Amino acid sequence: AQRVTQPEKLLSVFKGAPVELKCNYSYSGSPELFWYVQYSRQRLQLLLRHISRESIKGFTADLNKGETSFHLKKPFAQEEDSAMYYCALSGGSGGSNYKLTFGKGTLLTVNP
Amino acid sequence: GAVVSQHPSWVICKSGTSVKIECRSLDFQATTMFWYRQFPKQSLMLMATSNEGSKATYEQGVEKDKFLINHASLTLSTLTVTSAHPEDSSFYICSALLGGLYNEQFFGPGTRLTVL
Repeated sequence: AQRVTQPEKLLSVFKGAPVELKCNYSYSGSPELFWYVQYSRQRLQLLLRHISRESIKGFTADLNKGETSFHLKKPFAQEEDSAMYYCALSGGSGGSNYKLTFGKGTLLTVNP
Repeated sequence: GAVVSQHPSWVICKSGTSVKIECRSLDFQATTMFWYRQFPKQSLMLMATSNEGSKATYEQGVEKDKFLINHASLTLSTLTVTSAHPEDSSFYICSALLGGLYNEQFFGPGTRLTVL
């Protein structure tokens, strides 16, 4: 069974501080990992995915297969980063493998 | 960018009635759409995968006769909650899969269902 664990429900940091949102996964094959973000009163949107290896809005995430982790990091948090962040996993390409399993989410608050 | 809409954005109904929720991909065609349910302060739980022109695939524990899914066109999937009860009250979110290099899911804004 596939599972995504986000150990922190809430995370509060000050503006300019580094931030790391943790994500661990369980999957028997080679998964694809994502980070989704949901700003207040907005829909869920993709922040980044491990295969694209991009940095979006200053955020990066590296897939560590040995530790089965995909932690989201940003060196200097901004107030506009305050949002709910979800880590998600899919089985990769092909039909129903595109379906996503979400973690429970971490609510990030960046204080001024 | 790819946009997905849902209608209605919220609905209140009486127990025992049926409610239909529409999910549309506005500027792209989607052979695959997904329906999720989100309880307050909880994560999204996949209910079913909707495939254009074929039967939906339901996740374990989701009653297919309770949650009817129809994906009759490449831009529209509908979820009908039949004989709704208060425990069906929830936030229902759809997504549409945009094919291509990365096969990305685009999410609708969600529909808040309250069953009295």
